[in-house]
Amino acid sequence: DAKTTQPTSMDCAEGRAANLPCNHSTISGNEYVYWYRQIHSQGPQYIIHGLKNNETNEMASLIITEDRKSSTLILPHATLRDTAVYYCIVRGSNTGNQFYFGTGTSLTVIP
Amino acid sequence: NAGVTQTPKFRILKIGQSMTLQCTQDMNHNYMYWYRQDPGMGLKLIYYSVGAGITDKGEVPNGYNVSRSTTEDFPLRLELAAPSQTSVYFCASREGSGGSWTQYFGPGTRLTVL
Repeated sequence: DAKTTQPTSMDCAEGRAANLPCNHSTISGNEYVYWYRQIHSQGPQYIIHGLKNNETNEMASLIITEDRKSSTLILPHATLRDTAVYYCIVRGSNTGNQFYFGTGTSLTVIP
Repeated sequence: NAGVTQTPKFRILKIGQSMTLQCTQDMNHNYMYWYRQDPGMGLKLIYYSVGAGITDKGEVPNGYNVSRSTTEDFPLRLELAAPSQTSVYFCASREGSGGSWTQYFGPGTRLTVL
């Protein structure tokens, strides 16, 4: 699976958009980008995933660059409850059954 | 639909004791996983299962055992507890096939070994 690089921490003002970047320069053609988040002491929660096209759901938007070497998770109107660690994970559909979490980005939403 | 449930929520063990962490899912998922998370770190995969009767090692399997006799249950066994096993343990199950890797996590078991 491709390695990902994320900033260690970020702050965002409440009500503003939170843009969380992820670099995955070694991604290959069949590898998906997944985002999970973990609110303090809870189990991780799935947010969104994508392959090539930008994706949007009720929680967030995922923007993947055309060369697929990086992506950005966008929380359009951050709330205090969005304070969490956000994990960007890249894996292929047929590359085994393991799923590697890194250390993620700790997002703090400031009132 | 309860999702993934784990018991107990908290446990303190003495060195050398054994225990079983329970995990149950009611979503009829074939794939189930056990992770551990040490303070300030990401999750590391201990064991996983692709269906009843089939299990395999993850990144950090030493000191643990698993079994999968039913689709719903995936218990994790610690035989001789050591302080290095102090951690938060998460169970997860996976839906979908092919590219979809949406995993659903339980609330975790916080284990302290003294």
